[in-house]
Amino acid sequence: EVQLLESGGGLVQPGGSLRLSCAASAFTFSTYAMSWVRQAPGKGLEWVSGISRSGDTTFYADSVEGRFTISRDNSKNTVFLQMNSLRAEDTATYYCAKCEVGTVDICLRFDYWGQGTLATVSS
Amino acid sequence: HSVLAQPPSASGTPGQRITISCSGSTSNIGSNYVYWYQQLPGMAPKILIYQNNQRPSGVPDRFSGSKSGTSASLAISGLRSEDEADYYCVAWDDTLNGGIFGGGTKLTVL
Repeated sequence: EVQLLESGGGLVQPGGSLRLSCAASAFTFSTYAMSWVRQAPGKGLEWVSGISRSGDTTFYADSVEGRFTISRDNSKNTVFLQMNSLRAEDTATYYCAKCEVGTVDICLRFDYWGQGTLATVSS
Repeated sequence: HSVLAQPPSASGTPGQRITISCSGSTSNIGSNYVYWYQQLPGMAPKILIYQNNQRPSGVPDRFSGSKSGTSASLAISGLRSEDEADYYCVAWDDTLNGGIFGGGTKLTVL
Protein backbone atom coordinates (compact mmCIF):
# COMPACT_ATOMS: atom_id res chain seq x y z
CA GLU A 1 0.00 0.00 0.00
CA VAL A 2 1.20 3.51 -0.79
CA GLN A 3 2.68 5.25 2.22
CA LEU A 4 4.00 8.75 2.77
CA LEU A 5 5.85 9.24 6.04
CA GLU A 6 6.78 12.77 7.03
CA SER A 7 9.40 13.62 9.61
CA GLY A 8 11.50 16.55 10.73
CA GLY A 9 8.94 18.71 12.47
CA GLY A 10 9.51 20.18 15.90
CA LEU A 11 9.91 23.36 17.89
CA VAL A 12 12.17 26.06 16.50
CA GLN A 13 12.76 29.70 17.37
CA PRO A 14 11.78 32.48 14.98
CA GLY A 15 14.50 32.90 12.36
CA GLY A 16 15.51 29.26 12.68
CA SER A 17 15.41 26.40 10.21
CA LEU A 18 13.82 22.98 9.85
CA ARG A 19 14.17 20.33 7.17
CA LEU A 20 11.11 18.19 6.57
CA SER A 21 11.34 14.82 4.84
CA CYS A 22 8.66 12.67 3.27
CA ALA A 23 9.62 9.06 2.62
CA ALA A 24 7.46 7.36 0.00
CA SER A 25 6.88 3.68 -0.60
CA ALA A 26 4.91 1.24 -2.74
CA PHE A 27 4.82 3.28 -5.93
CA THR A 28 7.25 4.42 -8.62
CA PHE A 29 8.24 7.64 -6.91
CA SER A 30 10.02 9.26 -9.85
CA THR A 31 6.85 9.06 -11.93
CA TYR A 32 4.80 11.46 -9.81
CA ALA A 33 4.95 15.13 -8.93
CA MET A 34 4.84 15.83 -5.21
CA SER A 35 3.65 18.73 -3.09
CA TRP A 36 3.63 20.11 0.43
CA VAL A 37 0.40 21.47 1.94
CA ARG A 38 0.19 22.95 5.43
CA GLN A 39 -2.53 23.61 7.95
CA ALA A 40 -2.12 26.02 10.84
CA PRO A 41 -3.82 24.91 14.08
CA GLY A 42 -7.58 25.28 13.68
CA LYS A 43 -7.19 26.86 10.24
CA GLY A 44 -7.64 25.87 6.61
CA LEU A 45 -5.36 24.21 4.10
CA GLU A 46 -2.61 26.18 2.37
CA TRP A 47 -0.68 24.91 -0.64
CA VAL A 48 3.01 25.53 0.06
CA SER A 49 5.15 24.07 -2.70
CA GLY A 50 5.27 21.57 -5.55
CA ILE A 51 8.02 19.75 -7.43
CA SER A 52 8.06 18.08 -10.82
CA ARG A 53 8.74 14.41 -11.37
CA SER A 54 12.39 14.97 -12.23
CA GLY A 55 12.88 17.70 -9.65
CA ASP A 56 13.86 20.23 -12.31
CA THR A 57 10.82 22.44 -11.79
CA THR A 58 9.61 23.83 -8.49
CA PHE A 59 6.72 26.03 -7.42
CA TYR A 60 6.15 28.05 -4.24
CA ALA A 61 3.42 29.99 -2.53
CA ASP A 62 4.20 33.68 -2.22
CA SER A 63 4.17 33.32 1.56
CA VAL A 64 7.23 31.04 1.50
CA GLU A 65 9.05 32.06 -1.70
CA GLY A 66 12.70 32.78 -0.98
CA ARG A 67 12.60 31.08 2.43
CA PHE A 68 11.56 27.50 1.64
CA THR A 69 13.17 25.10 -0.83
CA ILE A 70 11.57 21.91 -2.08
CA SER A 71 13.72 19.10 -3.47
CA ARG A 72 13.55 15.38 -4.09
CA ASP A 73 15.89 12.42 -4.23
CA ASN A 74 14.35 9.89 -6.60
CA SER A 75 16.99 7.31 -5.67
CA LYS A 76 15.77 7.44 -2.06
CA ASN A 77 12.06 7.96 -2.79
CA THR A 78 12.06 11.07 -0.63
CA VAL A 79 10.88 14.64 -1.00
CA PHE A 80 12.21 17.40 1.24
CA LEU A 81 11.18 20.86 2.37
CA GLN A 82 13.98 23.03 3.69
CA MET A 83 12.44 25.83 5.73
CA ASN A 84 14.62 28.82 6.62
CA SER A 85 13.95 32.18 8.29
CA LEU A 86 10.94 30.67 10.00
CA ARG A 87 8.19 32.89 11.37
CA ALA A 88 5.45 32.32 13.89
CA GLU A 89 2.94 32.20 11.05
CA ASP A 90 4.72 29.16 9.61
CA THR A 91 3.49 27.12 12.59
CA ALA A 92 1.42 24.35 11.05
CA THR A 93 1.07 20.68 10.34
CA TYR A 94 2.86 20.01 7.08
CA TYR A 95 1.51 17.29 4.80
CA CYS A 96 3.26 15.85 1.79
CA ALA A 97 0.93 14.77 -0.99
CA LYS A 98 1.32 12.57 -4.06
CA CYS A 99 -0.08 13.56 -7.44
CA GLU A 100 -2.63 11.04 -8.65
CA VAL A 101 -1.51 11.13 -12.27
CA GLY A 102 1.94 10.42 -13.52
CA THR A 103 1.98 12.60 -16.62
CA VAL A 104 1.91 16.11 -15.20
CA ASP A 105 4.27 18.32 -13.23
CA ILE A 106 1.69 20.90 -12.12
CA CYS A 107 -0.68 18.98 -9.93
CA LEU A 108 -3.41 19.63 -7.39
CA ARG A 109 -5.01 16.21 -7.76
CA PHE A 110 -3.63 14.35 -4.75
CA ASP A 111 -4.57 10.74 -4.07
CA TYR A 112 -2.33 10.05 -1.08
CA TRP A 113 -1.35 12.23 1.84
CA GLY A 114 1.02 11.65 4.71
CA GLN A 115 -0.09 11.86 8.33
CA GLY A 116 1.55 15.27 8.69
CA THR A 117 4.39 16.62 10.78
CA LEU A 118 3.95 19.58 13.12
CA ALA A 119 6.35 22.50 12.91
CA THR A 120 6.06 25.01 15.73
CA VAL A 121 7.84 28.36 15.51
CA SER A 122 7.99 30.03 18.89
CA SER A 123 10.43 31.63 21.28
CA HIS B 1 -2.21 34.32 1.90
CA SER B 2 -4.70 34.67 -0.95
CA VAL B 3 -7.64 32.29 -0.90
CA LEU B 4 -10.58 31.38 -2.99
CA ALA B 5 -13.81 32.53 -1.35
CA GLN B 6 -15.94 29.90 0.34
CA PRO B 7 -18.70 30.32 2.92
CA PRO B 8 -17.25 29.44 6.33
CA SER B 9 -20.17 27.21 7.22
CA ALA B 10 -23.06 25.28 5.75
CA SER B 11 -25.68 23.01 7.25
CA GLY B 12 -28.43 20.65 6.27
CA THR B 13 -30.59 17.83 7.53
CA PRO B 14 -30.21 14.17 6.57
CA GLY B 15 -31.44 13.53 3.05
CA GLN B 16 -31.23 17.16 2.05
CA ARG B 17 -29.18 18.58 -0.84
CA ILE B 18 -26.69 21.34 -0.12
CA THR B 19 -24.24 23.29 -2.24
CA ILE B 20 -20.94 24.91 -1.31
CA SER B 21 -19.67 27.73 -3.48
CA CYS B 22 -16.11 28.67 -4.36
CA SER B 23 -15.42 32.03 -5.95
CA GLY B 24 -12.20 33.04 -7.63
CA SER B 25 -10.93 35.05 -10.57
CA THR B 26 -9.87 34.74 -14.18
CA SER B 27 -6.33 33.76 -13.16
CA ASN B 28 -7.42 30.72 -11.18
CA ILE B 29 -10.90 29.22 -11.50
CA GLY B 30 -11.53 31.08 -14.72
CA SER B 31 -8.66 29.38 -16.51
CA ASN B 32 -7.86 26.19 -14.62
CA TYR B 33 -9.48 23.10 -13.18
CA VAL B 34 -11.07 23.11 -9.74
CA TYR B 35 -10.61 20.29 -7.23
CA TRP B 36 -12.58 19.58 -4.07
CA TYR B 37 -11.31 17.92 -0.89
CA GLN B 38 -13.09 16.62 2.18
CA GLN B 39 -11.31 16.68 5.53
CA LEU B 40 -12.78 14.72 8.39
CA PRO B 41 -11.76 15.79 11.91
CA GLY B 42 -8.18 14.80 12.69
CA MET B 43 -7.61 13.27 9.27
CA ALA B 44 -5.70 14.15 6.12
CA PRO B 45 -7.78 15.55 3.24
CA LYS B 46 -9.41 13.23 0.70
CA ILE B 47 -10.12 14.17 -2.90
CA LEU B 48 -13.81 14.29 -3.85
CA ILE B 49 -13.81 16.00 -7.24
CA TYR B 50 -11.10 16.58 -9.84
CA GLN B 51 -11.11 18.55 -13.08
CA ASN B 52 -14.23 20.51 -12.06
CA ASN B 53 -16.74 17.66 -12.11
CA GLN B 54 -15.03 14.27 -12.15
CA ARG B 55 -15.38 11.82 -9.28
CA PRO B 56 -12.52 9.47 -8.37
CA SER B 57 -13.50 5.85 -8.05
CA GLY B 58 -14.97 5.16 -4.65
CA VAL B 59 -16.50 8.60 -4.19
CA PRO B 60 -20.31 8.27 -4.03
CA ASP B 61 -22.32 9.90 -6.81
CA ARG B 62 -24.03 11.95 -4.11
CA PHE B 63 -21.07 14.30 -4.57
CA SER B 64 -20.94 16.42 -7.72
CA GLY B 65 -18.98 19.42 -8.91
CA SER B 66 -19.59 22.17 -11.41
CA LYS B 67 -17.86 25.27 -12.69
CA SER B 68 -19.07 28.40 -14.45
CA GLY B 69 -16.79 31.30 -15.25
CA THR B 70 -14.83 32.21 -12.16
CA SER B 71 -16.96 30.22 -9.71
CA ALA B 72 -17.35 26.58 -8.82
CA SER B 73 -19.73 24.59 -6.65
CA LEU B 74 -19.78 21.32 -4.79
CA ALA B 75 -23.17 19.70 -4.33
CA ILE B 76 -23.94 16.96 -1.86
CA SER B 77 -27.28 15.23 -2.19
CA GLY B 78 -28.86 12.76 0.19
CA LEU B 79 -26.94 14.32 3.06
CA ARG B 80 -25.66 11.85 5.66
CA SER B 81 -24.23 12.33 9.13
CA GLU B 82 -20.86 11.06 7.95
CA ASP B 83 -20.66 13.98 5.50
CA GLU B 84 -20.02 16.28 8.45
CA ALA B 85 -16.54 17.59 7.64
CA ASP B 86 -14.59 20.52 6.26
CA TYR B 87 -14.66 21.01 2.49
CA TYR B 88 -12.04 22.84 0.45
CA CYS B 89 -11.82 23.93 -3.16
CA VAL B 90 -8.42 24.45 -4.79
CA ALA B 91 -7.23 25.65 -8.17
CA TRP B 92 -3.98 26.64 -9.85
CA ASP B 93 -3.40 30.37 -10.16
CA ASP B 94 -1.54 31.48 -13.28
CA THR B 95 -0.53 34.84 -11.80
CA LEU B 96 0.80 33.40 -8.57
CA ASN B 97 2.13 30.32 -10.40
CA GLY B 98 0.97 28.16 -7.54
CA GLY B 99 -1.98 26.43 -5.98
CA ILE B 100 -4.60 28.36 -4.07
CA PHE B 101 -7.10 26.86 -1.62
CA GLY B 102 -10.43 28.18 -0.52
CA GLY B 103 -10.77 29.08 3.13
CA GLY B 104 -12.83 25.95 3.75
CA THR B 105 -16.47 25.31 4.58
CA LYS B 106 -17.48 23.47 7.73
CA LEU B 107 -20.53 21.33 7.00
CA THR B 108 -22.84 20.46 9.86
CA VAL B 109 -25.49 17.79 9.47
CA LEU B 110 -28.29 18.72 11.84
